[in-house]
Amino acid sequence: NAGVTQTPKFRVLKTGQSMTLLCAQDMNHEYMYWYRQDPGMGLRLIHYSVGEGTTAKGEVPDGYNVSRLKKQNFLLGLESAAPSQTSVYFCASKQLAGSKNIQYFGAGTRLSVL
Amino acid sequence: DQQVKQNSPSLSVQEGRISILNCDYTNSMFDYFLWYKKYPAEGPTFLISISSIKDKNEDGRFTVFLNKSAKHLSLHIVPSQPGDSAVYFCAASPSPSGSARQLTFGSGTQLTVLP
Repeated sequence: NAGVTQTPKFRVLKTGQSMTLLCAQDMNHEYMYWYRQDPGMGLRLIHYSVGEGTTAKGEVPDGYNVSRLKKQNFLLGLESAAPSQTSVYFCASKQLAGSKNIQYFGAGTRLSVL
Repeated sequence: DQQVKQNSPSLSVQEGRISILNCDYTNSMFDYFLWYKKYPAEGPTFLISISSIKDKNEDGRFTVFLNKSAKHLSLHIVPSQPGDSAVYFCAASPSPSGSARQLTFGSGTQLTVLP
């Protein structure tokens, strides 16, 4: 069972470069999320989606864009990477209802911006 | 301004003893709480949850206690095993399955169970 798959697992960027992180889930979940994890700060919500074609801002959306063109995929884009975006990024998904708000996470993408 | 706080970054416990991880919250709108466990190089995985209508929920070796008046919850692991060594995150939500976005996480506690 794949669950939630994130690619790539690691990436090093130079300041100003762009990249896209891909999240794919095979559980037919409606909701998908992007978080970043920084030392001493837990997981902070960047953007989320309540369904195909819809996205919304979370707690720390600046510098990121997202797209949900297909239900199973949620893309996180960095248009012009900055050192402050060095972090571990986690994608998660959740069922529409009856899920006790349990989110299922991918293994993460470790991003370094030099 | 952290709404969910885990004030102990780390905790070491002897194998077989009890591990107690604590979490405090400030937002009185939170009424559903979860614990996640995270191993290195893996994503967080759901461990146990509790609704505010209860003060205790048990699942095997894991028990979560909720003190709503003190805005405090704790996770008890008995007996602790070396495989329990991981980072534990507390998370809170306004409702069990409502708003799509609402999981607020604490900063985590690294539990080390010594053999």
